[in-house]
Amino acid sequence: DAKTTQPNSMESNEEEPVHLPCNHSTISGTDYIHWYRQLPSQGPEYVIHGLTSNVNNRMASLAIAEDRKSSTLILHRATLRDAAVYYCILRDLAGGTSYGKLTFGQGTILTVHP
Amino acid sequence: DAGITQSPRHKVTETGTPVTLRCHQTENHRYMYWYRQDPGHGLRLIHYSYGVKDTDKGEVSDGYSVSRSKTEDFLLTLESATSSQTSVYFCAISSRGSGANVLTFGAGSRLTVL
Repeated sequence: DAKTTQPNSMESNEEEPVHLPCNHSTISGTDYIHWYRQLPSQGPEYVIHGLTSNVNNRMASLAIAEDRKSSTLILHRATLRDAAVYYCILRDLAGGTSYGKLTFGQGTILTVHP
Repeated sequence: DAGITQSPRHKVTETGTPVTLRCHQTENHRYMYWYRQDPGHGLRLIHYSYGVKDTDKGEVSDGYSVSRSKTEDFLLTLESATSSQTSVYFCAISSRGSGANVLTFGAGSRLTVL
């Protein structure tokens, strides 16, 4: 799997937007960009994913650079419950022998201040 | 919750004893995965399964074996537990193996080997 690079930590204030960056300069044309997060003492949970176009769902938005070498997860109004470790992961479109497994990096620790 | 449960949630055992962790799903998903999470290493894949009786190794499979005799259950066995296997273990499931597919994780099993 291609490698991703994320800042170790970020801080935000409650009710403010948060932009979590991810660099993936070696991304291939068939790699999906996935974001998961892990709240304290819980298993990771899916946030959002995309291939080329920007994506929105009830949890967040994903902005993908035109050259796809970077992406940004956007939390529009951070809450205290958004404090978690956020993982940016690349997954090959076809799956193939990877059988859909995810390779996690270190992620970004997001701290949200009241 | 998505219908994935892990048992036991907490276990303390002694070095050299066998341990089996169970992952049970009610989603009828084809793919199942075992990860371990340790400080400084993030989540690392141990073994995965792409169907009943079809399993393969992940990046940290030494000392672990798995079995999947039916769709809903994926067992992780430590034949002779060592202190280095003290960790939090997460099971995950997905319906497909393609890059667009999403993984759903269990709540985790915390294993302490004394």
